[in-house]
Amino acid sequence: GENVEQHPSTLSVQEGDSAVIKCTYSDSASNYFPWYKQELGKRPQLIIDIRSNVGEKKDQRIAVTLNKTAKHFSLHITETQPEDSAVYFCAAFGTSYDKVIFGPGTSLSVIP
Amino acid sequence: EAGVAQSPRYKIIEKRQSVAFWCNPISGHATLYWYQQILGQGPKLLIQFQNNGVVDDSQLPKDRFSAERLKGVDSTLKIQPAKLEDSAVYLCASSRDRAREQYFGPGTRLTVT
Repeated sequence: GENVEQHPSTLSVQEGDSAVIKCTYSDSASNYFPWYKQELGKRPQLIIDIRSNVGEKKDQRIAVTLNKTAKHFSLHITETQPEDSAVYFCAAFGTSYDKVIFGPGTSLSVIP
Repeated sequence: EAGVAQSPRYKIIEKRQSVAFWCNPISGHATLYWYQQILGQGPKLLIQFQNNGVVDDSQLPKDRFSAERLKGVDSTLKIQPAKLEDSAVYLCASSRDRAREQYFGPGTRLTVT
């Protein structure tokens, strides 16, 4: 079946450093790739997304890159802050937007 | 605009009992999703509605789970009978259309004992 892998499962960085999380998807027809941030006990919130016709998108300290050939996309957070500490999930929307698969999550800790 | 509403927020039941969850999406959102999130895992899509029609329910355990979205607005997810492994947070989300920004509700935490 279709699958989304996410690495690393945990990531610890010093405040001010950059963090990179990578996701790999199996469905070559996937065409929409959002990233969500989920703080403990709270609901997931969209932080950035990218569509298959775009290679890179940036929003202040957050950027996402997409490599369709290799079927992977990455989240980049620069100048990390303690409030960036959370679990981050990637997702891939498949053929005709009907299939939605989330990655298993990355627990990011930013050490002050 | 008001967010996605869900109720109840918490529910504790014994195995083999039945339970129902309710979701009210953001007004005007055509697409509604139900997810199951087990502790420490990513959300798993159970069912996706486009207006009042089902577009994907391939991961819904249909022998015990059912869902409906009457009139293309509110939705109800039911489990009958519940199993221990159904213990999870059930998240409802809505979006203006497919593959658009999803807004999640606060979730219902289900504990099956």
